[in-house]
Amino acid sequence: AQSVTQLGSHVSVSEGALVLLRCNYSSSVPPYLFWYVQYPNQGLQLLLKYTTGATLVKGINGFEAEFKKSETSFHLTKPSAHMSDAAEYFCAVSDTSGGGADGLTFGKGTHLIIQP
Amino acid sequence: DAGVIQSPRHEVTEMGQEVTLRCKPISGHDYLFWYRQTMMRGLELLIYFNNNVPIDDSGMPEDRFSAKMPNASFSTLKIQPSEPRDSAVYFCASSRQGRGGEQFFGPGTRLTVL
Repeated sequence: AQSVTQLGSHVSVSEGALVLLRCNYSSSVPPYLFWYVQYPNQGLQLLLKYTTGATLVKGINGFEAEFKKSETSFHLTKPSAHMSDAAEYFCAVSDTSGGGADGLTFGKGTHLIIQP
Repeated sequence: DAGVIQSPRHEVTEMGQEVTLRCKPISGHDYLFWYRQTMMRGLELLIYFNNNVPIDDSGMPEDRFSAKMPNASFSTLKIQPSEPRDSAVYFCASSRQGRGGEQFFGPGTRLTVL
């Protein structure tokens, strides 16, 4: 069974500072990896994903994430935080094995707070 | 495209009543997923369909929950009878592909069972 751990239910950074949201996964084989963002009272929107190829993945709104197999991690970063980045961020995994399911397993989420 | 459409956006009902949540996926998407979001358990996959056929319903919590997809443009999630612990936000998502594909989420239905 797969699982996702997001370290820190709340992260607060100053506007203009580096954003780092941590995600570690547990899976018998390397999974597909995703970061989604959820703004208040809205559905989730895909920020970026890793399936194959380059381990550094760039997404929307200036976010990027790096897949590190040795560390079973997929941390999300953004060099300079903007007030509009305040939201809930979810890391998720999807099975890659032949008999696996197609749904996503989500972490508990990290609430990003941007201080002016 | 209008995106994934869910209705109603908010539902308040009393314990024991039947609740039906509706979803219209994005046209051309072959996969449809139902998720539930609560503070305690986070986001959980309940069930998903591929080409209108239920593939995995292992996340459906109890027999009180049922889901159908009679055609490619419509799905329902029904709770009968409803209980206060069913209070949550229910999301529908659709995708062109299964594993590895981007899932597009609807705005969710906030269900409150009194």
